[in-house]
Amino acid sequence: GEDVEQSLFLSVREGDSSVINCTYTDSSSTYLYWYKQEPGAGLQLLTYIFSNMDMKQDQRLTVLLNKKDKHLSLRIADTQTGDSAIYFCAESIEGGGADGLTFGKGTHLIIQP
Amino acid sequence: DAGITQSPRHKVTETGTPVTLRCHQTENHRYMYWYRQDPGHGLRLIHYSYGVKDTDKGEVSDGYSVSRSKTEDFLLTLESATSSQTSVYFCAISRGAGELFFGEGSRLTVL
Repeated sequence: GEDVEQSLFLSVREGDSSVINCTYTDSSSTYLYWYKQEPGAGLQLLTYIFSNMDMKQDQRLTVLLNKKDKHLSLRIADTQTGDSAIYFCAESIEGGGADGLTFGKGTHLIIQP
Repeated sequence: DAGITQSPRHKVTETGTPVTLRCHQTENHRYMYWYRQDPGHGLRLIHYSYGVKDTDKGEVSDGYSVSRSKTEDFLLTLESATSSQTSVYFCAISRGAGELFFGEGSRLTVL
């Protein structure tokens, strides 16, 4: 079955890089995603990567995928207080169609001044 | 972004009462989903729909039913609410390539 694992908390200093890690079990996952949830709000898609890619960069965000180890990471460069949120890793086989997405439990990113 | 709205946003009810949550989209997407979010569990899929009158169960469907009589509306019903159904419920639509766009959530408290 599908399972997505993430650590629950990450604390970083403002200005440092944050690296949030995720492991998944379903080797047939086609798409892998990072969502962000700010307090009291719904989830917002940050970025996604196809399983045939190793890396994707978008401004301060870098996604790395190690398909062999089924490991996904999200690096946020120059972490700011506005980055404080819960970050969810998610996977899909059909790209969000019939099966929806399977989410991890989320990583709380805490920013220290 | 008003592409998807949920109502009510907050509700307090008593055990054994029926509750219906409504999700309304203005983007004419085929796929719609209901998730619940609980501490320590992340988001779990309750039910989803792939078209009018076409629905299927997700991971945690027991105690819930859904209906989709129009493309734009997806209703989640708790026939007889229990305290274990106290949660935040999120509706989502699929915009393609896995981009699920979420509503703001409906916080339900069952006393």
